Amino acid sequence: KNEVEQSPQNLTAQEGEFITINCSYSVGISALHWLQQHPGGGIVSLFMLSSGKKKHGRLIATINIQEKHSSLHITASHPRDSAVYICAVNPLDSNYQLIWGAGTKLIIKP
Amino acid sequence: ETGVTQTPRHLVMGMTNKKSLKCEQHLGHNAMYWYKQSAKKPLELMFVYNFKEQTENNSVPSRFSPECPNSSHLFLHLHTLQPEDSALYLCASSQGTSGSPYEQYFGPGTRLTVT
Repeated sequence: KNEVEQSPQNLTAQEGEFITINCSYSVGISALHWLQQHPGGGIVSLFMLSSGKKKHGRLIATINIQEKHSSLHITASHPRDSAVYICAVNPLDSNYQLIWGAGTKLIIKP
Repeated sequence: ETGVTQTPRHLVMGMTNKKSLKCEQHLGHNAMYWYKQSAKKPLELMFVYNFKEQTENNSVPSRFSPECPNSSHLFLHLHTLQPEDSALYLCASSQGTSGSPYEQYFGPGTRLTVT
C-alpha cells in the first residue's frame, strides 16, 4: 500500500461542476502539498498546509490531521482546470523529502 | 512563470552522447533539486543541493552527474545513458531544506529521449 493515496485516479466533469479530489496518507507529516501538472509537464505548487483550510481563487484545500486526510476542491470548474493534481507530503523526519501520490487526472468538458 | 527555467525543453540523444541539462532559478532560493518523472510513475528525487553543497543523492547511477556552481544554477551532466533513462527531468528550488517545510517551485522540465 502506498503511503499517499489519491482518489479518484481519473475524473471527468462538465464545466461549472464542483470538483473534489481526495488524498489520504499513512505517515506522520509536517506538511501536505497540492500541486498541478499541465500536459506540457511543468508543475505548479497550489497549496502547502499543515492544518485547517486554505483558499486561493476558486481552489480550496483542507486537511484533517487526525484523520490523515486532505481534500482539494475546485468551484465553478473550467476547461483550463484540466490537469493532473498531485498530493505530496513531507514526512516528519524531512523538511524537503516529499512522498508523492500518483496524481488525479482531471478533465473538464465545455 | 514559476521563476525556475530549464533548458533545453526537449532533448534526443544517443546512448554514446554527452549532454547537459541546465536549470536556473530567479527566486533567491538556497536549495535546488533534480527530479525524474517516468511515464505513469510518481516523481523520483535524484539530487538535492543546499547552499551549493550536495545533501542528497538517491542512489542515482553515475551516468548522471550533477553540478551546482552557485545557488542559482544547477546542471545535470548526462553520459552513456540507457533507453530507460528517457523521462521528464524536472528542476525545482526552495528557500531551504531545514528548519521547516518549504514549497518547491518547479521548472517546465526537459523531455529527454534516449535512442
